[in-house]
Parts: sequence; C-alpha cells; structure tokens
Amino acid sequence: ETGVTQSPTHLIKTRGQQVTLRCSSQSGHNTVSWYQQALGQGPQFIFQYYREEENGRGNFPPRFSGLQFPNYSSELNVNALELDDSALYLCASSPGTSYEQYFGPGTRLTVT
Amino acid sequence: DQQVKQNSPSLSVQEGRISILNCDYTNSMFDYFLWYKKYPAEGPTFLISISSIKDKNEDGRFTVFLNKSAKHLSLHIVPSQPGDSAVYFCAATRGGADGLTFGKGTHLIIQP
Repeated sequence: ETGVTQSPTHLIKTRGQQVTLRCSSQSGHNTVSWYQQALGQGPQFIFQYYREEENGRGNFPPRFSGLQFPNYSSELNVNALELDDSALYLCASSPGTSYEQYFGPGTRLTVT
Repeated sequence: DQQVKQNSPSLSVQEGRISILNCDYTNSMFDYFLWYKKYPAEGPTFLISISSIKDKNEDGRFTVFLNKSAKHLSLHIVPSQPGDSAVYFCAATRGGADGLTFGKGTHLIIQP
C-alpha cells in the first residue's frame, strides 16, 4: 500500500510569483486536505477536496486554490506569493468521511 | 484565538517511565480528537484517536483520556522508549469538511 506522496520536496520562489504543489493520496483514499505549517506552529487547515470539489476551507485568502483529479491526486496553487507564505505545506488523505487523516512528508516552500 | 492548546512546549522523561502529554480545547463543538507524532523532515504520523462519546481509548503502549467537562485530553505512553522522542500534536475536529485544528505541539525527549 503506497502512502501519501508530495512533490517537490523543497522549493524556493520569489515574492509575487506563483507556485503549484502536488500530492498523491494513499491508495483507496478519496478525500484530500492541505495544511500550512509555519515554524514552531501546528499545521493549519487550508482546504479539503472530496470528489473533485472543494468542500471545506480554513481561514486562507482566495489566492490559495486547489484542484483534485479523478484519480484523487491534488494540487495546491498559491498566487502572488508573500514572504509569510514560507512554510511546510502538508497534504493529507483519508477514506471518505473518516476523521483520521494520513499525511505526506510535506513540501518546504521558501519565499524570498 | 487558539482553539487547541498544548501548554508544554517540551517534556523530558526517563526511558521506561510514563510520558503524559496534555491538551486543552475551547470549542465545545469538537467531537473527535487525535494525536499525531512528528519526526523532523517527515509528515505527522497518526497515533491514536478518541470520539467524544468515549472517555478512554487504548492501543498498545498508547492511551488517550478525554475529560469533556474540563475540555481536556491527555496521551499516556507507557513504557516510554527512545524512539518515542518526537514532537506530539493534539488535533480536534467537528467532522465533515471542517479539517483538523492542531495545537502547537509538545517536544517529547526520552532520556536513557
């Protein structure tokens, strides 16, 4: 059974640029959630996708957007990058409406 | 406004003894609680969970206790082992598409 994978591992971008992060969910999991973890903080919920639709969102601005594909993989897009967007971005998957989410290793984004 | 609080940034315990990690929450709508363990450069790993209709859940060396009236939960690890050294996050959710709300984590150090 393959776990959650994310790419790339690390990324450096300049303020104002756009970035796309990718996630493959664990086999059999059709729900994908994205989290942002700043240094010294716990992960913060960005949004959740189920059956290719965004069905839940945390307190993040519209420049954070996403997609889910028919194979349940997902993308997180961030436009107009700001310095404060520098963080570890975590993807988590879960089967259906299960509360338990399983995380990937994350993508470390640095904005300069 | 932190809805999930882990007030101890770090905890040091001797190998073989009991480790007790604490978590408080403010939102009475939370009805499912989870503990995750995180090693550096890895994503959080799911450990154990508890529904609000229970007050205890056990899985091997890990036991989670929930006190709804005090809005408090704790994770007991016994006996503590060197591999338990990691950051532990408490998380809570109302379910559905709400995502997980995390505390800031407690760094557990197991001393030989």
